Amino acid sequence: KAGVTQTPRYLIKTRGQQVTLSCSPISGHRSVSWYQQTPGQGLQFLFEYFSETQRNKGNFPGRFSGRQFSNSRSEMNVSTLELGDSALYLCASSLTLDGLRYFGPGTRLTVT
Amino acid sequence: AQSVSQHNHHVILSEAASLELGCNYSYGGTVNLFWYVQYPGQHLQLLLKYFSGDPLVKGIKGFEAEFIKSKFSFNLRKPSVQWSDTAEYFCAVNGADSGYALNFGKGTSLLVTP
Repeated sequence: KAGVTQTPRYLIKTRGQQVTLSCSPISGHRSVSWYQQTPGQGLQFLFEYFSETQRNKGNFPGRFSGRQFSNSRSEMNVSTLELGDSALYLCASSLTLDGLRYFGPGTRLTVT
Repeated sequence: AQSVSQHNHHVILSEAASLELGCNYSYGGTVNLFWYVQYPGQHLQLLLKYFSGDPLVKGIKGFEAEFIKSKFSFNLRKPSVQWSDTAEYFCAVNGADSGYALNFGKGTSLLVTP
């Protein structure tokens, strides 16, 4: 089976812009979760979707949002980008909400 | 509040040395415990997991971890490290009480010198 894929792999944006990241889960997986990885904070949970419904949300501002489509693919959107949003954004998929997470390669976002 | 603490942020070892990375958690209810590894330039991948049963779990590449419920700990061990073990190691916890959201520690950067 193909693994979790994320597009784009690298992105450079300017402060104030918005960005959309995409995640395609492993075939058959219905849960997709998103994480922000930074050197100072490590890996922080953003949100998780299962069957197109947000099931969990981390402690991030409303500028961070997401959605999941009927084919389980997920997108994450960040509006009004700030310099501090520069990070590696990881997506993970699992068969069920309580299942093992399999991670994608991440999208490296740089905000200038 | 739920939290995961990794005691060592940076560890430097010589090849063949033994490794123990500490992980403690603060969590209500039944927990699932994980160690993930991120090799330079690679995906985050699962080293080992504990859901229930034998508290001593074995993972890939000779790693093992012991769940000590009374100490809220899940320390990672390897008897003899290799240069190829150089990576970032993350402890993670989830459980039904938090809807199975995966909560990570801040990671330990391990450098193994030849």
